[in-house]
Amino acid sequence: KAGVTQTPRYLIKTRGQQVTLSCSPISGHRSVSWYQQTPGQGLQFLFEYFSETQRNKGNFPGRFSGRQFSNSRSEMNVSTLELGDSALYLCASNLGQGQETQYFGPGTRLLVL
Amino acid sequence: GENVGLHLPTLSVQEGDNSIINCAYSNSASDYFIWYKQESGKGPQFIIDIRSNMDKRQGQRVTVLLNKTVKHLSLQIAATQPGDSAVYFCAEVSGGYNKLIFGAGTRLAVHP
Repeated sequence: KAGVTQTPRYLIKTRGQQVTLSCSPISGHRSVSWYQQTPGQGLQFLFEYFSETQRNKGNFPGRFSGRQFSNSRSEMNVSTLELGDSALYLCASNLGQGQETQYFGPGTRLLVL
Repeated sequence: GENVGLHLPTLSVQEGDNSIINCAYSNSASDYFIWYKQESGKGPQFIIDIRSNMDKRQGQRVTVLLNKTVKHLSLQIAATQPGDSAVYFCAEVSGGYNKLIFGAGTRLAVHP
């Protein structure tokens, strides 16, 4: 099976812009979770989508949002970008049944100037 | 890679030695734990997991130990190889099915 794929891999934006990142889960996986990774804060949970519904949410401002489509592909959006949003954004997928490994994609590296 | 290592503890070992990476987790109610390996420029890669009803689980060259009394996890890597060089994260599942809480990470450096 193909692994989790994320597009684009690299992105440069300026403050105030918005950005949309895409994640395609492993075939058959219905849960997609998003994480932000920075040197200062480490890996932090953003949100999880399962069957097109947000099931869990982390402690991020409302500028961070996401959605999931009927084919389980997911997008996350960050509006009004700030310098501190520069990070590696990772998505992970699994079946969503509980106590299962999450498989990560390679991430999208976002640089905000 | 993403983990520049500004504040990451580093474990340096010689090739062929055994490595032990430790992790303290935060929530006594967490019931599922995972170790991930992250190489530069890549996403975290699953190594091994353990449920809270177990104390020990073994994989190929890796063993995870769970001590719930002191909320401690460890990852043991036998006969460490240069390809094991990476940042290692423990993660606990808390507060919902797929909400992983990650530790800060440990950088493992294997010297030939």
